[in-house]
Amino acid sequence: GEDVEQSLFLSVREGDSSVINCTYTDSSSTYLYWYKQEPGAGLQLLTYIFSNMDMKQDQRLTVLLNKKDKHLSLRIADTQTGDSAIYFCAERMGSNYQLIWGAGTKLIIKP
Amino acid sequence: EADIYQTPRYLVIGTGKKITLECSQTMGHDKMYWYQQDPGMELHLIHYSYGVNSTEKGDLSSESTVSRIRTEHFPLTLESARPSHTSQYLCASSEGSNQPQHFGDGTRLSIL
Repeated sequence: GEDVEQSLFLSVREGDSSVINCTYTDSSSTYLYWYKQEPGAGLQLLTYIFSNMDMKQDQRLTVLLNKKDKHLSLRIADTQTGDSAIYFCAERMGSNYQLIWGAGTKLIIKP
Repeated sequence: EADIYQTPRYLVIGTGKKITLECSQTMGHDKMYWYQQDPGMELHLIHYSYGVNSTEKGDLSSESTVSRIRTEHFPLTLESARPSHTSQYLCASSEGSNQPQHFGDGTRLSIL
């Protein structure tokens, strides 16, 4: 069945760039999303990309999509302590309103 | 910014009690969703609704029930709470086919 996979942890130094990776299995994905979850809170939509795009940039965030390899990445430039959170990747297939979720990557910031 | 509200934010209650978790959105979204999430873990869809009087069960089997009598309101009910129901419950809504899901802050439920 459909699957979305992410590494569970990523540790970076403050000021460096963070790159969070996600792979998915279904080539019929239409939209791919990145959400951020801080401790004890709900999910905050960070950005999303349509499957016919290769890249989307929004301030410190850059999303790259490689459709051939079914690989999605989120780059956070100049990582700050406030970026410490769990980042979830999700895909939507076709006209289905439901999302397939990854398990989340916990971003740890080292001083 | 999305306007979707969940109450209560935290609930600690004894086994056997009936619980209703509230979720309201002011955006007029037709689609609404309930997820169950253990701390720091992945999300599991337990219920969804595509509009008034429409409710469906999600991928994860749940003893909870939902109702959708009004567009803006999507409450989740547990008739008899058990410790296995301890978790965080997240409500979300979305507009059309091209729009992402927007989440509330969640209800953290602890059953003693």
